[in-house]
Amino acid sequence: VQLQESGPGLVRPSETLSLTCSVSNYSISSGYYWVWIRLTPRKGLEWIGTVDKSGTTSYNPSLESRVAVSLDTSKNHFSLRLSSVTAADTAMYYCARGEGFNGYDFQLDYWGQGALVTVSS
Amino acid sequence: QSVLTQPPSVSGAPGQRVTISCTGSSSNIGARYDVHWYQHFPGTAPKLLIYTNDNRPSGIPDRFSGSRSGASASLAITGLRAEDEADYYCQCYDSSLTVSLFGGGTKLTV
Repeated sequence: VQLQESGPGLVRPSETLSLTCSVSNYSISSGYYWVWIRLTPRKGLEWIGTVDKSGTTSYNPSLESRVAVSLDTSKNHFSLRLSSVTAADTAMYYCARGEGFNGYDFQLDYWGQGALVTVSS
Repeated sequence: QSVLTQPPSVSGAPGQRVTISCTGSSSNIGARYDVHWYQHFPGTAPKLLIYTNDNRPSGIPDRFSGSRSGASASLAITGLRAEDEADYYCQCYDSSLTVSLFGGGTKLTV
């Protein structure tokens, strides 16, 4: 299983960050959870949100008002949208596959290489 | 500050044993939700090191082991090698916050 993030590396403050995670060698409609995580020097790893094969989502309450995760089974990819970004959203964004009980309780067995997103004018 | 507390750094000499602690609370580790551990070399994808408290994925050497007791978990690394120098993170579900939590990370220096 391989995952690869893609999207703009620079986003202006107050705009929307959009990333896509392309999945290879596994059909995302078959199962597992599909997860976005970010890494910052200040906070370390932070779970952003999860989508399952049916499109059901789970979000970090601290980001829930600004985040949307969606699935596109026809393209075998899933996406992240984070609105109203600020400099605090500057991070390395990772997508990963989750195996576990639900959208919150899982381990991440395959990860993408990460996409650095900088929020700056 | 993370709800899962890890020491910022640990160190050990080659061949030695080190442990990295992950201290939680009654709504995560203490509630017996599973703990997972990841190894991260900067610039690469994090790797699952230990899952469900004490299980190693295929390909992870038995020098790495996980345990838990009460509201804490630990990662032990024996026979330290220079290539073990990395950042290590614990992860657990928290039922009070309804969130998948990561510890703040521990930098291992060999």
